[in-house]
Amino acid sequence: GAVVSQHPSWVICKSGTSVKIECRSLDFQATTMFWYRQFPKQSLMLMATSNEGSKATYEQGVEKDKFLINHASLTLSTLTVTSAHPEDSSFYICSALTRRTYEQYFGPGTRLTVT
Amino acid sequence: QKEVEQNSGPLSVPEGAIASLNCTYSDRGSQSFFWYRQYSGKSPELIMSIYSNGDKEDGRFTAQLNKASQYVSLLIRDSQPSDSATYLCAVNIPPSGRDDKIIFGKGTRLHILP
Repeated sequence: GAVVSQHPSWVICKSGTSVKIECRSLDFQATTMFWYRQFPKQSLMLMATSNEGSKATYEQGVEKDKFLINHASLTLSTLTVTSAHPEDSSFYICSALTRRTYEQYFGPGTRLTVT
Repeated sequence: QKEVEQNSGPLSVPEGAIASLNCTYSDRGSQSFFWYRQYSGKSPELIMSIYSNGDKEDGRFTAQLNKASQYVSLLIRDSQPSDSATYLCAVNIPPSGRDDKIIFGKGTRLHILP
């Protein structure tokens, strides 16, 4: 299967600061990447769809000014959590879509803790 | 509202038995279907994809698709304790705009009893 990396794997930050999470497709080009958030013992929640070279599409209820997404190349998408608050603490997971098969490969996730 | 439905479980199956996981979807236009496994605290891992009616086998896993009934299933033969995880069914929704859409079910928790 295809490989997707995420960095960092975990991060602790103070309330009010910003955190950037990188998602890379290592062995294939991904015109579409997705960002998910998952709280403990809950389902995956799609936050936004990121298309290379264009603005991300955010799901209802997700603040686009708070969760900035940039898909600058065919292998890299970034999610920046701006002015983080403790309620933003969660497991953030990206995935990259292979258009030929529509298979979606997930990164290992980033655990964010805001103190 | 496009939906993918799964029984949340937990589904308890004795070691060595067959585990059967089911999923229904609402969009008749869907063409691609996937099963993911997610261990607690980890991200989902793709285990099977299926695109046409019938069965598709890969090792101990068999995916079954019935588009007329809008039904996808995953069978795990010779279940092992390491198969204990949450299994997510995912279905592609044909794009109405430029965005591809993959809809996930909420997952079925599977527990293999040693």
